[in-house]
Amino acid sequence: GAVVSQHPSRVICKSGTSVKIECRSLDFQATTMFWYRQFPKKSLMLMATSNEGSKATYEQGVEKDKFLINHASLTLSTLTVTSAHPEDSSFYICSARYTGGDTEAFFGQGTRLTVV
Amino acid sequence: GQNIDQPTEMTATEGAIVQINCTYQTSGFNGLFWYQQHAGEAPTFLSYNVLDGLEEKGRFSSFLSRSKGYSYLLLKELQMKDSASYLCAVLDSNYQLIWGAGTKLIIKP
Repeated sequence: GAVVSQHPSRVICKSGTSVKIECRSLDFQATTMFWYRQFPKKSLMLMATSNEGSKATYEQGVEKDKFLINHASLTLSTLTVTSAHPEDSSFYICSARYTGGDTEAFFGQGTRLTVV
Repeated sequence: GQNIDQPTEMTATEGAIVQINCTYQTSGFNGLFWYQQHAGEAPTFLSYNVLDGLEEKGRFSSFLSRSKGYSYLLLKELQMKDSASYLCAVLDSNYQLIWGAGTKLIIKP
């Protein structure tokens, strides 16, 4: 299957700093990527849909100024958590699907963010 | 609203069979997925059903009834490594994935 690479897998940062998470589709072009957040023992929560060359579509309740998404190319989307606080500590996962939609979502490995 | 229900937790014995159910109510339907997720890891794809019936893939099988809004994942010959969460997800009319909360499966020796 297709490979989606997410980096870093783990990051610890100080409160008030910003953290960038990268999501790359290695062997296919992803015009759309998805960013999820997952709390312990909870399901995936869609944060935003990242569209190549245009602004991301954020889900209700997700602060677009805090979670900056840039989909600069067909193989790269980035999520920047700005001015991180301890409550932003979570597991962030990106996924991508082939254009057309009716196929499985390929997931990155996930990023465990801890804000201290 | 859109809703996907699956049991929170199930326990089974190594070597046995377990069935994890999923019911859904969504705006349209373009397929149902099952994913496996080990703690601290991203989900991995198990199966995709878009037509009614049973799809078998090794020890894992997935069933779909669109008229009933119902699916199940059947795991046979359970192994300890099958201990994980199993996520049911439906692709709605906008081709957005709607996720269930996941079923934590505990395998006992």
